[in-house]
Amino acid sequence: EDQVTQSPEALRLQEGESSSLNCSYTVSGLRGLFWYRQDPGKGPEFLFTLYSAGEEKEKERLKATLTKKESFLHITAPKPEDSATYLCAVQAGYGGATNKLIFGTGTLLAVQP
Amino acid sequence: GAVVSQHPSRVICKSGTSVKIECRSLDFQATTMFWYRQFPKQSLMLMATSNEGSKATYEQGVEKDKFLINHASLTLSTLTVTSAHPEDSSFYICSARVTGGNSPLHFGNGTRLTVT
Repeated sequence: EDQVTQSPEALRLQEGESSSLNCSYTVSGLRGLFWYRQDPGKGPEFLFTLYSAGEEKEKERLKATLTKKESFLHITAPKPEDSATYLCAVQAGYGGATNKLIFGTGTLLAVQP
Repeated sequence: GAVVSQHPSRVICKSGTSVKIECRSLDFQATTMFWYRQFPKQSLMLMATSNEGSKATYEQGVEKDKFLINHASLTLSTLTVTSAHPEDSSFYICSARVTGGNSPLHFGNGTRLTVT
């Protein structure tokens, strides 16, 4: 069964304290791994897509990496405005555009000033 | 680009009534839209895939007669929660993909439904 597991469930950092979030997955035929940011009461906001092992993407203080079993979201020198829930999702299987995304339960990040 | 608009953002209704939620792709056409449900501190759970001009595909355990989906145009999908019960109270989020099977989903801002 396809599965996505994120850790830790919650993470509290001091401003400027770098860290990483983990997303482990077991799927048949990975088509893409997606990272989203979700603020309270809002829909997820797209951050990155990774397609193959070894791929990396960066955006401001965030960097996403991918291996054959997991993805990391590295946060460098975070600021309070980076506080949010970070969701990982995978698209797996074969076929057309309707392949669904399987989401992890997210990591709730709190960055204290 | 790739903006998905969802309306209303909040709705309170009484048990037994029906509620309609709209999802629009503002700057692109979406032949397929997806409806998710999210409980507090839980992951997004796919409810159904909405297909323009044809019937929606529901996930296992989702009652199609309770959650009516209509995708009448390339920019609009609606979810109607019929005969709502308090246990239907949740955060409903729609999403759509621009083009291509591997392009990311873009999400609306969700609808907080409270059934009293």
